[in-house]
Amino acid sequence: DIQMTQSPSSLSASVGDRVTITCRASQTMYTYLNWYQQRPGKAPKVLIYGASNLQAGVPSRFSGSGSGTDFTLTISNLQPEDFATYYCQQSYISPLTFGGGTKVEIK
Amino acid sequence: EVQLVESGGALVQPGGSLRLSCAASGFSLSTYWMSWVRQAPGKGLEWVANIKEDVTEKTYEGRFTISRDNAKNSVYLQMSNLRDEDTAIYYCATYQTTTASRHFDHWGQGTQVTVSS
Repeated sequence: DIQMTQSPSSLSASVGDRVTITCRASQTMYTYLNWYQQRPGKAPKVLIYGASNLQAGVPSRFSGSGSGTDFTLTISNLQPEDFATYYCQQSYISPLTFGGGTKVEIK
Repeated sequence: EVQLVESGGALVQPGGSLRLSCAASGFSLSTYWMSWVRQAPGKGLEWVANIKEDVTEKTYEGRFTISRDNAKNSVYLQMSNLRDEDTAIYYCATYQTTTASRHFDHWGQGTQVTVSS
């Protein structure tokens, strides 16, 4: 199975900050990497698919990069509605696996 | 508008069985991969199973079975020999596949399964 390691597991940031979350895979997965946002009590929502493609309707302050084993989600100009938990997920090979999550909290 | 509505979650004793349902609307389920993803209390996301036509993929061989009824535009998860650690919110999701990417793009609101004596 491909193991997905996210860091950090949590972070505190202020509105307007730039935030970077990283995801490392235990083996290469090209660009089969997705990012999801989950607000408390809600279902996850896809933000980025294929490592760098912005899902329709998602604000452009979200961006993704990387390939192979190392990936990054960047949120520029953090907004109040962005305080949530973020998950990476590999879709290269079954079983599909998620990272452990990064909780973005208000400083 | 795509909508997914899960149902069937309940409190069940260890060793018991449960069938979850996911009713889809706004699209034809037959054209999509469909998935179940779960989340234990306070934990992260865990993929459970996928299905498209007669092709299935799943994590828990032997205990969980995914199926679909295109006529009812619904997908199901039959769970047996349930354990405490199966306690979770179970989400139904569409799994969008293209030549360059595969991702869960639409999600239901989830249904709660609690395994406890």
